[in-house]
Amino acid sequence: GQQLNQSPQSMFIQEGEDVSMNCTSSSIFNTWLWYKQDPGEGPVLLIALYKAGELTSNGRLTAQFGITRKDSFLNISASIPSDVGIYFCAGQQETSGSRLTFGEGTQLTVNP
Amino acid sequence: DSGVTQTPKHLITATGQRVTLRCSPRSGDLSVYWYQQSLDQGLQFLIHYYNGEERAKGNILERFSAQQFPDLHSELNLSSLELGDSALYFCASKGPSGYEQYFGPGTRLTVT
Repeated sequence: GQQLNQSPQSMFIQEGEDVSMNCTSSSIFNTWLWYKQDPGEGPVLLIALYKAGELTSNGRLTAQFGITRKDSFLNISASIPSDVGIYFCAGQQETSGSRLTFGEGTQLTVNP
Repeated sequence: DSGVTQTPKHLITATGQRVTLRCSPRSGDLSVYWYQQSLDQGLQFLIHYYNGEERAKGNILERFSAQQFPDLHSELNLSSLELGDSALYFCASKGPSGYEQYFGPGTRLTVT
């Protein structure tokens, strides 16, 4: 099935640094979601985006729905050790009902 | 805690066997989605049920089947298990509006 192209695959940063990751696709998506997954746990919803150009924040996290509707970005400011985990983007398309298509994930490591 | 429960947490079985994974959605949610997460395939959509009816199928093998019961819990049945079926299996539930899916803690299946 179609995958979203998520980058980078992994990031190693120092505590306090800002982080950016993104998802792109050749197809249009109507909804973008960002999840975080800790080892051995289920993905946890961080942010949901429903409108092209929308910018939404959740604490230190900010996500944007790209104007072309083919991409989305997630920024984490002033990273802390508990930000460690795998971040996934997920998109919903008109032609696919309510199912989600997931990116490959970005593994974030934060060094104290 | 997402409100979605899954049992068992871990399952170890032999090739050729059959197992059943169980999921209870958040209170009030009618939609249940099943996903498979393996190292080489990421999060892959398997199947979607809404209020007891199958709504969409993804990359689900013929050896796998699912159902949703009147009390809205769902079961994923995996038969003739192969080594390659070893993975994390997640269910997620969704409310009546929007596309935000809430994931359970997953079942880790190991086929030996």
